[in-house]
Amino acid sequence: NAGVTQTPKFQVLKTGQSMTLQCAQDMNHEYMSWYRQDPGMGLRLIHYSVGAGITDQGEVPNGYNVSRSTTEDFPLRLLSAAPSQTSVYFCASSYSVRGRYEQYFGPGTRLTVT
Amino acid sequence: DAKTTQPPSMDCAEGRAANLPCNHSTISGNEYVYWYRQIHSQGPQYIIHGLKNNETNEMASLIITEDRKSSTLILPHATLRDTAVYYCIVRVVKDNQGGKLIFGQGTELSVKP
Repeated sequence: NAGVTQTPKFQVLKTGQSMTLQCAQDMNHEYMSWYRQDPGMGLRLIHYSVGAGITDQGEVPNGYNVSRSTTEDFPLRLLSAAPSQTSVYFCASSYSVRGRYEQYFGPGTRLTVT
Repeated sequence: DAKTTQPPSMDCAEGRAANLPCNHSTISGNEYVYWYRQIHSQGPQYIIHGLKNNETNEMASLIITEDRKSSTLILPHATLRDTAVYYCIVRVVKDNQGGKLIFGQGTELSVKP
């Protein structure tokens, strides 16, 4: 299994540009999430999904859109990039069995907005 | 989900046990305690979880107080590779909230030779 894959690994955008961060998992996990991590900070939840066709907002959803048309893919779209969105973005997929809730994280996308 | 409080940083000598505390005084009866860690620049990694009883796996042990208001993650023989930020998270495991983990600031553990 490849686990959770994210593309691209690095990206530089200009203010106002839009782009989509890709995330895919091959573990058939129901749940997927997007987090951002600013320098020296913990992770903050942007959006999450409990299954194909179902998404919900996390702590910091403004400026981002998500969709989940398949179990495998959960892309994150930046609508109009701003310098405040400079961050590392992590995608995760997870399952829950008898209280064990384990999230598997991708390697991250490092985004700089100038 | 209940809020957690962790010390911002801790040091530990290589080969010694690392004991990382977490306070979760507002935890509810159906909330689990989870521990994750994040090694520099990588995505977080699941370590262990528990509800009421103490738990042990190949990575660590989790001690939860009887009143469940606090817990301690124990790395029995810390190595330099255990240097990381450790996150304590409490959450209810509900099917309709899968995917929702709220991370705090964590404890930055430095294992020194």
